[in-house]
Amino acid sequence: AQTVTQSQPEMSVQEAETVTLSCTYDTSENNYYLFWYKQPPSRQMILVIRQEAYKQQNATENRFSVNFQKAAKSFSLKISDSQLGDTAMYFCAFAKGDGAGGTSYGKLTFGQGTILTVHP
Amino acid sequence: NAGVMQNPRHLVRRRGQEARLRCSPMKGHSHVYWYRQLPEEGLKFMVYLQKENIIDESGMPKERFSAEFPKEGPSILRIQQVVRGDSAAYFCASSPPRGQNTGELFFGEGSRLTVL
Repeated sequence: AQTVTQSQPEMSVQEAETVTLSCTYDTSENNYYLFWYKQPPSRQMILVIRQEAYKQQNATENRFSVNFQKAAKSFSLKISDSQLGDTAMYFCAFAKGDGAGGTSYGKLTFGQGTILTVHP
Repeated sequence: NAGVMQNPRHLVRRRGQEARLRCSPMKGHSHVYWYRQLPEEGLKFMVYLQKENIIDESGMPKERFSAEFPKEGPSILRIQQVVRGDSAAYFCASSPPRGQNTGELFFGEGSRLTVL
């Protein structure tokens, strides 16, 4: 079974600064995917960024980037130039690959979440 | 293109009553997932369905909970004889058919169940 651990229950950052959210995971799988999802107060979960385990290059999406350390089973999220709209709960999640062309099975294992507050 | 639609957004039930939560996936999506979020916790997988088939229900409690995704109409998560511990937010997510799936799940806004 997979586990995902987010050790920071809460983080805060000043607007325009950079913040890093931590995530570690445990798995015996070789083919898997990692995600960061954002859950703002409206509660709808939104995908922030996605990383395939077989790719060594860290994923980036505009102001969001990850530091994927496969051997250490670490998957941190860096948010640059933080904005007030980034205030939300952030969840790290893991999914096994389905072994058929690299697409993943939608059964995600989520971490406990990190509440991020961006202050003006 | 409408997103994942869930209803009701809020549902209040007394202990022993039944709760029915509905989910219409995004257009073109054939896979539906139900997740439960207890207060201050992450989402926990409950069940994965395709049309008329339950693919994986390993996260679903063995008693009182059931789910379906009929050929026509929304997916339904049904909780019989609710207890206070069932109070939670229930999220539905959908994804495209296999082969088009990037692994991203598209979530609805959730249904918050309160059991009195």
